[in-house]
Amino acid sequence: DGGITQSPKYLFRKEGQNVTLSCEQNLNHDAMYWYRQDPGQGLRLIYYSQIVNDFQKGDIAEGYSVSREKKESFPLTVTSAQKNPTAFYLCASSISSAEGYGYTFGSGTRLTVV
Amino acid sequence: AQRVTQPEKLLSVFKGAPVELKCNYSYSGSPELFWYVQYSRQRLQLLLRHISRESIKGFTADLNKGETSFHLKKPFAQEEDSAMYYCALRSYGNKLVFGAGTILRVKS
Repeated sequence: DGGITQSPKYLFRKEGQNVTLSCEQNLNHDAMYWYRQDPGQGLRLIYYSQIVNDFQKGDIAEGYSVSREKKESFPLTVTSAQKNPTAFYLCASSISSAEGYGYTFGSGTRLTVV
Repeated sequence: AQRVTQPEKLLSVFKGAPVELKCNYSYSGSPELFWYVQYSRQRLQLLLRHISRESIKGFTADLNKGETSFHLKKPFAQEEDSAMYYCALRSYGNKLVFGAGTILRVKS
């Protein structure tokens, strides 16, 4: 069954810690994306990757890092430099540069700083 | 700069009433627009895209380049339409730019 999987569903982090959110897809999509969802602000792009071993910063990349070593995987690390990390994080994938195709989203990870 | 504006945070209507969720965009290129929906406890999913001119679950949306709008409409709201709706614009580099979202509540 094809899809995009995010784990864990809930994550708690102590201040000063780095945490990594997992995103895996078996849709054979070239492009993958990380968004942050906050109430009243919609979805804001953190990082995206169009191909393996390449990624670009989105609108709010500060305090985050990513890697794209495999086509299927696009993990996001929330570092201690991220000042307000508590949020809902969404991963998505798409056929790269294909007109008319939207994104497929994962079910999200809710990160809380304690 | 590319931007998507959804002016209403919350839209509350009665069952059977018409629905219009507003979306305006700014983009210098040829726009490609989408509506996404997030039902309670479900993942964000594509509802419709302007390029296919389709009707999904009774919803339609027409791209109006003169008014730079892509409003989502349904003639008769149903309770199961209650959800968060996002309008999105495909930007350079195949990125999607999202609006802030509108919560639709359909009351019985």
